[in-house]
Amino acid sequence: KAGVTQTPRYLIKTRGQQVTLSCSPISGHRSVSWYQQTPGQGLQFLFEYFSETQRNKGNFPGRFSGRQFSNSRSEMNVSTLELGDSALYLCASSFTGKNEQYFGPGTRLTVT
Amino acid sequence: QKEVEQNSGPLSVPEGAIASLNCTYSDRGSQSFFWYRQYSGKSPELIMSIYSNGDKEDGRFTAQLNKASQYVSLLIRDSQPSDSATYLCAVLAGTASKLTFGTGTRLQVTL
Repeated sequence: KAGVTQTPRYLIKTRGQQVTLSCSPISGHRSVSWYQQTPGQGLQFLFEYFSETQRNKGNFPGRFSGRQFSNSRSEMNVSTLELGDSALYLCASSFTGKNEQYFGPGTRLTVT
Repeated sequence: QKEVEQNSGPLSVPEGAIASLNCTYSDRGSQSFFWYRQYSGKSPELIMSIYSNGDKEDGRFTAQLNKASQYVSLLIRDSQPSDSATYLCAVLAGTASKLTFGTGTRLQVTL
């Protein structure tokens, strides 16, 4: 079974721009969670989607948003990029009723 | 107080030895506990999950949970150089899907 896929893998953006990241979960997984990983803050939860609905949200500003499609694929968007948004953005999926989350390879975002 | 605490290391062990990684958590409502391994430049890989007090073994890995002490640990037997990585402890509270991670312990297995 294919794992979680994320596109693009690397991205360079300029301050003030916006960016959209994509995540395709493992086949059959309907829950998708997003995390931000930085050297200073470690891994932090952004939000979780299940059946096209946001179920949980972390402590991030409204510039960070997401959505999920009927095929469980998810996108996250960051508007008005700041230098501090430079990070590895990770998507994880899990099977309904199971707590184990499996991570994709991540998207490395650099904001200049 | 951080919600999930780990010693950042590095923890250095010789090849063939047992590596012991520890994690404490603050939320007594936590019900699910996970260990992830993360190689430099890669994403976290799930290696163990544990839900009940006691030990859970999977190959060379043993996870130990003590909810009364709010403590979870990971033992790696017969450590290999390929085990050199950062090990992240993650905790899930209640029915939420929000994983709370520790900062990770860097393990170095020396020849």
